[in-house]
Order: sequence, then C-alpha cells, then structure tokens
Amino acid sequence: GDSVTQMEGPVTLSEEAFLTINCTYTATGYPSLFWYVQYPGEGLQLLLKATKADDKGSNKGFEATYRKETTSFHLEKGSVQVSDSAVYFCALSEGQGAQKLVFGQGTRLTINP
Amino acid sequence: GAVVSQHPSRVICKSGTSVKIECRSLDFQATTMFWYRQFPKKSLMLMATSNEGSKATYEQGVEKDKFLINHASLTLSTLTVTSAHPEDSSFYICSASQDALGSAFFGQGTRLTVV
Repeated sequence: GDSVTQMEGPVTLSEEAFLTINCTYTATGYPSLFWYVQYPGEGLQLLLKATKADDKGSNKGFEATYRKETTSFHLEKGSVQVSDSAVYFCALSEGQGAQKLVFGQGTRLTINP
Repeated sequence: GAVVSQHPSRVICKSGTSVKIECRSLDFQATTMFWYRQFPKKSLMLMATSNEGSKATYEQGVEKDKFLINHASLTLSTLTVTSAHPEDSSFYICSASQDALGSAFFGQGTRLTVV
C-alpha cells in the first residue's frame, strides 16, 4: 500500500538556520502531497500542499516541490524562527482532497534562539 | 481556517471501562470525519472514515466492535473505546471535511491512558 517516510527527528537548529526535512513516498497512483504542522497543544494544521508533479507548495516561508522522479516532497525553509518549533508531518492522499491521508511518522523540530 | 474541537484532550480510565471521545466541527458542516490513532514515535494511522448518517468504514485490522464510531449529525462524530485495555492507550485524532475535494481540518487530539 501507499506509504510515507520522513527523516527521523528530533531536529534541533539555531534561529536563522536553513531547514530541510526529507520526505519520500510510495504510491501506486498520482497522489497529492501535504505537509502538516502541529504546534504544542494544538491540532494538525495544513502547512502546504502540491497536487501534481513539479508543483511547488509554499506558505509562511516554507516550500516543498513535488518530485515524481525521486518520489520526494522535501520541506525547506531558508531561515527558521523559534516560533517554527513544532512537529511536522508529511502526508499523501490519493485524491485532490486531503481526506484520507497516509502520514509519515512526524519530525519534531526545535529552534533555539 | 475551519475549527474542529476534540474533547477531552486527556483521559485516564480503568481497564474494562468504556471511553467516549467527541469530535465537533464548530463553524462548518462536516460530511465526512476521520479517526486516526498515533502510537509513540509512529505515524498517524487511519482507523475509520465516517459519513453523516451512515455506518463507518473501518480500515483493515481495526476492530469495529471495540472502536464504535457514530456520526449522527453534520457537526459531531464520536469514538467510543469499549472495554478499554492498556494496549488501547494512545493518541487519537479526528479530522473533518466539508466535501470530497476540500481540505481536512484536525482536532487537537485526545491522549487516552488505560490503567
């Protein structure tokens, strides 16, 4: 079945550092890809998404490009802030909607001032 | 964005008892709600999909008699863990969607501990 693998955490960076969280997927069809973020004590929030190959999703300075050839959707940010500390989940769904999602295991990110 | 409220956020119960978790969409009507379970250091696993007014569809390996799901209205779905055991201790998260193409909005999750 479909699956998502993301880099294991925890990841600890200093403020203004460059961030990459790797995500690769296995799917039989042409899935939509998502990054969700979970801040402490809150529910998962959609951070960005891409629905077809070569699409780039972006939000709040984060970016991820749907790479069909490498089956990847790595999350990047050029300069992280303390407020970016959270758990990040990569996910896929078979349709354009985000309903039935297959998640990676999550990566805990801590940004130190 | 849309708000989904999950209650309680934490619950501790004795082995053998049942626990009900509520998931409410506060500012939209959710035709579909999803229940996920997260084991420590593992990803969220979809347990079941519920559509308002119909029976839930359970994923393979999920015991439907143990995890009872009710979606009686367009704003409320409940998950009842029946005859809970310590191995049912986990983090349960719901999500809700307005329609087939829309995004899913997540609750904040419920940490269940069975002692």
